[in-house]
Amino acid sequence: DTEVTQTPKHLVMGMTNKKSLKCEQHMGHRAMYWYKQKAKKPPELMFVYSYEKLSINESVPSRFSPECPNSSLLNLHLHALQPEDSALYLCASSPLLRRERNEQFFGPGTRLTVL
Amino acid sequence: KQEVTQIPAALSVPEGENLVLNCSFTDSAIYNLQWFRQDPGKGLTSLLLIQSSQREQTSGRLNASLDKSSGRSTLYIAASQPGDSATYLCAVRPKGGAQKLVFGQGTRLTINP
Repeated sequence: DTEVTQTPKHLVMGMTNKKSLKCEQHMGHRAMYWYKQKAKKPPELMFVYSYEKLSINESVPSRFSPECPNSSLLNLHLHALQPEDSALYLCASSPLLRRERNEQFFGPGTRLTVL
Repeated sequence: KQEVTQIPAALSVPEGENLVLNCSFTDSAIYNLQWFRQDPGKGLTSLLLIQSSQREQTSGRLNASLDKSSGRSTLYIAASQPGDSATYLCAVRPKGGAQKLVFGQGTRLTINP
């Protein structure tokens, strides 16, 4: 099973709302990632978790709060977002094998619209 | 700073043609290079991963090559089909870059029936 799942598929929220995005993988991967992708642009890395610990935060605003409850789950908590945060949010995972073999697998994404 | 470039930004070809997509990168110190496919509004699908010690990888009608010394990779698609229409992204994993991938801007491919 080489699948990363994400819920919900679509999310519309107001600027005062609090919501969460969820990501799950059952491939035994020990690294998980959040990316943000705007239209016609490549994905931009936001956070990386390795062995359930936050290893990279790409200077993301605090209105985005990641959480890794266990090795299979990754959440992204959203609060007080701005309309410019509207984007496709992608989750990915990788096995943390020998570095040359470390392949990333992506989920289908959550389309977020902030009103 | 590693930079990845994909040219052309868009390509349109008739069905059945063989085609090549290009990817270039500025720093040869990489662990691997990955080719992805992305359909509109969807996630990325990993097509091929080429390790830094490898020269090429094949999967079905796809063949990817890597020339690390010249900073180039190509993705060859044989006997193209309308279902191959998508955006193709290449990404390198730089040495010393933790687990980050550096992406190109992508090539939007259209296969005309």
